[in-house]
Amino acid sequence: QQQVKQSPQSLIVQKGGISIINCAYENTAFDYFPWYQQFPGKGPALLIAIRPDVSEKKEGRFTISFNKSAKQFSLHIMDSQPGDSATYFCAASMRGAQKLVFGQGTRLTINP
Amino acid sequence: GAGVSQTPSNKVTEKGKYVELRCDPISGHTALYWYRQSLGQGPEFLIYFQGTGAADDSGLPNDRFFAVRPEGSVSTLKIQRTERGDSAVYLCASSPRSGKSSYNEQFFGPGTRLTVL
Repeated sequence: QQQVKQSPQSLIVQKGGISIINCAYENTAFDYFPWYQQFPGKGPALLIAIRPDVSEKKEGRFTISFNKSAKQFSLHIMDSQPGDSATYFCAASMRGAQKLVFGQGTRLTINP
Repeated sequence: GAGVSQTPSNKVTEKGKYVELRCDPISGHTALYWYRQSLGQGPEFLIYFQGTGAADDSGLPNDRFFAVRPEGSVSTLKIQRTERGDSAVYLCASSPRSGKSSYNEQFFGPGTRLTVL
């Protein structure tokens, strides 16, 4: 019940295309869903986060779509750029629990 | 300002040895977290401190792992009798405050890569 399942494991997108990464969870007590971006040799950095009271959140080229009934959420990267090439992790946590439960990660490559 | 720093950046040790990994959180951050990231996997939670006390240590895999934060700032993760399976990147994160009604961004350090030969 603590797992967050992420797909795909790797993704290759052409420059200017849309990158889509999906996550699913089981624990209905999760109520905070952040996405992290990680470059090689660096720690994860928060990209965007959503709470289940909204179905979508957009920040620049990054959008989270959230489907509470399906217990799924996804990250969309519009106009993908080579600088977006990194590993992306979805995560989830519960109010007050603080610890993040991470997905397995998606290695995104944007071809120029 | 300075981010979360971790030392050493790399640590190579032999099976059975004792290691200490250090984390310097962002100044003023009261919450501190340790995670472990194996190759090709997402970070896995180990332990969370609120101030000086361990508020949640449910992620520590066994009693060979121990962490302290004696003055509510710097934290040390200690691993006794290291095993080859302990090889991973150990990540530290901090956040400004913590509470039952809050969500706080966790700021991660670059990690310590531990290799047990």
